[in-house]
Amino acid sequence: DAGVIQSPRHEVTEMGQEVTLRCKPISGHDYLFWYRQTMMRGLELLIYFNNNVPIDDSGMPEDRFSAKMPNASFSTLKIQPSEPRDSAVYFCASNELAGGLTGELFFGEGSRLTVL
Amino acid sequence: AQSVSQHNHHVILSEAASLELGCNYSYGGTVNLFWYVQYPGQHLQLLLKYFSGDPLVKGIKGFEAEFIKSKFSFNLRKPSVQWSDTAEYFCAVNRLGKLIFGQGTTLQVKP
Repeated sequence: DAGVIQSPRHEVTEMGQEVTLRCKPISGHDYLFWYRQTMMRGLELLIYFNNNVPIDDSGMPEDRFSAKMPNASFSTLKIQPSEPRDSAVYFCASNELAGGLTGELFFGEGSRLTVL
Repeated sequence: AQSVSQHNHHVILSEAASLELGCNYSYGGTVNLFWYVQYPGQHLQLLLKYFSGDPLVKGIKGFEAEFIKSKFSFNLRKPSVQWSDTAEYFCAVNRLGKLIFGQGTTLQVKP
């Protein structure tokens, strides 16, 4: 199994530019999560999907952030316009049952975003 | 506010020393508890988890954790650390299908 695949691994952009991060969950997993990791705040849950439907987006910091899951094998997290404070590592994770039974989230390698 | 707290932010140990990392949570009711590890440059991996039963849980690489319900704690332990245990360790609680993480503890093991 290829695991959770994220792209790009690294992105450096300038303030005001649009950033799109991509994620391919593990095949057969119903749930997909987007997390953001920073030194100040640690790991924060931004949003999660079940069967491609957003269930809880209360962690999305503001309207500049949006996430979509057009099908079971692909999700995007978009920041428009980007700001320096968005610099972080963004992780995507997937799971079969929202952690309810197995509890284990499978994480991707992360996308390190730097906004200048 | 309900949260997961890891009190040790940065721990430095020599090889063969014993390790204990604290984790406390403030959620009531039934909780599922986890420890994840993130080795340098890698993604998070599950170390161990507690759902029910024996409060002493054994995980991979010689790690264990003890769930103490009365203290709302789930501390991670290892009797003798190795240089390869250098990593960041995250405690997490499953609440309503969401995994809520603590701030993380960076462990540095000196050879």
